[in-house]
Amino acid sequence: NFVMTQSPKSMSISVGDRVTMNCKASQNVGNNIAWYQQKPGQSPKLLIYYASNRYTGVPDRFTGGGYGTDFTLTINSVQAEDAAFYYCQRIYNSPYTFGAGTKLELK
Amino acid sequence: QIQLVQSGPELKKPGESLKISCKASGYTFTDYAVQWVKQAPGKGLQYMGWINTQTGKPTYADDFKERFVFSLETSASTAYLQINNLKNEDTATYFCARHRRVSDYWGQGVMVTVSS
Repeated sequence: NFVMTQSPKSMSISVGDRVTMNCKASQNVGNNIAWYQQKPGQSPKLLIYYASNRYTGVPDRFTGGGYGTDFTLTINSVQAEDAAFYYCQRIYNSPYTFGAGTKLELK
Repeated sequence: QIQLVQSGPELKKPGESLKISCKASGYTFTDYAVQWVKQAPGKGLQYMGWINTQTGKPTYADDFKERFVFSLETSASTAYLQINNLKNEDTATYFCARHRRVSDYWGQGVMVTVSS
């Protein structure tokens, strides 16, 4: 069974800090992952696709990286509005499994 | 502008069925598949599957091969999710999203409550 494992489950960060969260695929997916941001009561929003491509309108403080099985999402100079859940998802090849998410809280 | 507008909240009893809709506008419906995603209260996103809007062929994730049916009304640019024999654990918000390698536009979600 294909699994995407995200870490950490949650993190508490101060405004202006740099944060990196991780996503590990149980098998090689090349660069076929996306990252989404979801705030309470809202639909997910696409941030990054094909591991490192920023979606239209996404601030350049969001950076995706990695290849194969290990991926990262980095937010440089975190802003208050970045408090949210972040999910990775395998894309291109079904099943399009999501990771369990990382909760980013602001101190 | 591109929109996916889903139907309203549902309150159902165990054993009943429901059908929720996802109406697309602002793009050619058959250029993108539709992905369905479940989010139980306080939980993360769970991939349910997707439907090919050109052929109507559905693909279901393992946990959703029984009781769940994806369908289309292509002339109305609308995708449907039907859930049969509802169970308490089907209580969740269900999202649709247009999908072509990645899901870039999402519906607002439908909250489904199953309770006796």
